[in-house]
Amino acid sequence: DAGVIQSPRHEVTEMGQEVTLRCKPISGHDYLFWYRQTMMRGLELLIYFNNNVPIDDSGMPEDRFSAKMPNASFSTLKIQPSEPRDSAVYFCASSLGGGVSFFGQGTRLTVV
Amino acid sequence: AQSVAQPEDQVNVAEGNPLTVKCTYSVSGNPYLFWYVQYPNRGLQFLLKYITGDNLVKGSYGFEAEFNKSQTSFHLKKPSALVSDSALYFCAVRDLGGPPPGGDYKLSFGAGTTVTVRA
Repeated sequence: DAGVIQSPRHEVTEMGQEVTLRCKPISGHDYLFWYRQTMMRGLELLIYFNNNVPIDDSGMPEDRFSAKMPNASFSTLKIQPSEPRDSAVYFCASSLGGGVSFFGQGTRLTVV
Repeated sequence: AQSVAQPEDQVNVAEGNPLTVKCTYSVSGNPYLFWYVQYPNRGLQFLLKYITGDNLVKGSYGFEAEFNKSQTSFHLKKPSALVSDSALYFCAVRDLGGPPPGGDYKLSFGAGTTVTVRA
């Protein structure tokens, strides 16, 4: 398996633009997690899904953030409108039955 | 609520010396503990886990960790460090005792410890 695949690897956008981050989990995994990593706040869990259903979105910072998982092999995290303080590395991870989480390479987002 | 503390921001050791990265946790039920490593511009890589059984668990790249329930600790160790072990290390915990039945599936991560191994 190729592991968790995230795209794009890097994204630079202007403040106010919509940003969409994409994730393909490991085939067969039933949990999917979105994290944000910054120097100031470390690794924060934003939202997680079980069998494509959002279970806990308490970490989503604002209504500007939304996440979907239309099927078992694809998830998106959308920021609309983006702001400079959203600049961070966003990680997607998947696991089987809530066990070991396997992380993607991350998307480095820069909002200017 | 579950939480993890990594009391040291940085650990510096000489190559060949033993390496220890400290971690303490707090959960309401039984813990499911993990160590991950992150190299620059990469995602987190799983090193080892503890859920039950022997308190000393062995993982990838010669790393091991010791679970101590009375001290609520899960320190990561390597008997002889390599320069290539220089990276950012994260401890994480999942609480198996909270709601819903079987606990929450969220992982709480520590702030991370930067390990530098000098040649």
